[in-house]
Amino acid sequence: AQKITQTQPGMFVQEKEAVTLDCTYDTSDPSYGLFWYKQPSSGEMIFLIYQGSYDQQNATEGRYSLNFQKARKSANLVISASQLGDSAMYFCAISGDTGFQKLVFGTGTRLLVSP
Amino acid sequence: DGGITQSPKYLFRKEGQNVTLSCEQNLNHDAMYWYRQDPGQGLRLIYYSQIVNDFQKGDIAEGYSVSREKKESFPLTVTSAQKNPTAFYLCASRPGLLNEQFFGPGTRLTVL
Repeated sequence: AQKITQTQPGMFVQEKEAVTLDCTYDTSDPSYGLFWYKQPSSGEMIFLIYQGSYDQQNATEGRYSLNFQKARKSANLVISASQLGDSAMYFCAISGDTGFQKLVFGTGTRLLVSP
Repeated sequence: DGGITQSPKYLFRKEGQNVTLSCEQNLNHDAMYWYRQDPGQGLRLIYYSQIVNDFQKGDIAEGYSVSREKKESFPLTVTSAQKNPTAFYLCASRPGLLNEQFFGPGTRLTVL
């Protein structure tokens, strides 16, 4: 079974500062993928970034980067230069070593960006 | 515009009634998924489908049913057997060559 743990229920950051959202995972699959999604108050899940377990380099997408530490089973999301529009729920998810790409989600972290 | 549509956005039903949630995509994606989200929780997988006329149970399939008669459509029926159906329901799809799933706007179901 796979599991995602997000230990930060809420985080506060000032505009233009960087913030790290924590995610640890547990899986017995030799190959897996890690995802981060953003959920604004409207409810839609917005894909941010993906990291494959065999990727040698940490994934980056614009202001988002994924700090992947395989030995520690962590996949933290780093948001640089926070913006007011970054205020939302953030979910970490894992998919296993199958073609079905079933996602298992954590409970999320609520990020609030202040001016 | 290409995307995933879910209708309606808000749905109210009386206890004991079946209700069907719509999910349509025009992205030509093969795989489609249904998730349920409860307040303060992450998403949990209800059903998924890799191809037309084939679907598999997820982690919380009891009390739900689906069909996949067309590639574009993956409706979810919440039956009266679902003990606690009030939740936010999200549909997603995934193209064959990518890993990420793309989500629709969701339907908030309230059973009175």
